[in-house]
Amino acid sequence: EAQVTQNPRYLITVTGKKLTVTCSQNMNHEYMSWYRQDPGLGLRQIYYSMNVEVTDKGDVPEGYKVSRKEKRNFPLILESPSPNQTSLYFCASSPLGVQGSSKNIQYFGAGTRLSVL
Amino acid sequence: GDSVTQMEGPVTLSEEAFLTINCTYTATGYPSLFWYVQYPGEGLQLLLKATKADDKGSNKGFEATYRKETTSFHLEKGSVQVSDSAVYFCALTRAGGTSYGKLTFGQGTILTVHP
Repeated sequence: EAQVTQNPRYLITVTGKKLTVTCSQNMNHEYMSWYRQDPGLGLRQIYYSMNVEVTDKGDVPEGYKVSRKEKRNFPLILESPSPNQTSLYFCASSPLGVQGSSKNIQYFGAGTRLSVL
Repeated sequence: GDSVTQMEGPVTLSEEAFLTINCTYTATGYPSLFWYVQYPGEGLQLLLKATKADDKGSNKGFEATYRKETTSFHLEKGSVQVSDSAVYFCALTRAGGTSYGKLTFGQGTILTVHP
């Protein structure tokens, strides 16, 4: 089954304790992305990657890091989490292709709900 | 920059009622437009899309038409069901440049359908 898998689904941590949220896709997609979802703001892009070793900032990258060492994995790293990073996080993937074509449909994981105390 | 504005929610309807969720956008060029749906406890799923002006996207009884003259992509369904209760997001993406692949989302509209 084609899917994007995030782990963990729920996480409660304390300020300053480094954490990693994993994301893995089994569709051989080149493009992967992280979003955060906050009430009244919709989803905002944190980082994206167009292929292995190619990553770039989205709209809200401060306080986050990513890496893309393998095509299927795109972990999100919070080196020193703060309470303002409490949010619902989504990983997404899609194949590269002509913008707007059916190939550009992004597939989302089920989400990771993070609370930073 | 690009932006998407959705109607204020939440929206509460009775089963079989008509649904409209308004969506307007601001973007340069010719964006592609999407509606995503998020059922409770799940990730986002693509509901429908339109890639050029006057295109109509449709799926599961939902429809939306890409109106470039009014920069709108309103979601409609003639008869909602309890199972349609979810959060609906309007989104756009633009071709090329440094924003490749980025989806710009509206704030989401919570829909609750009562029996």
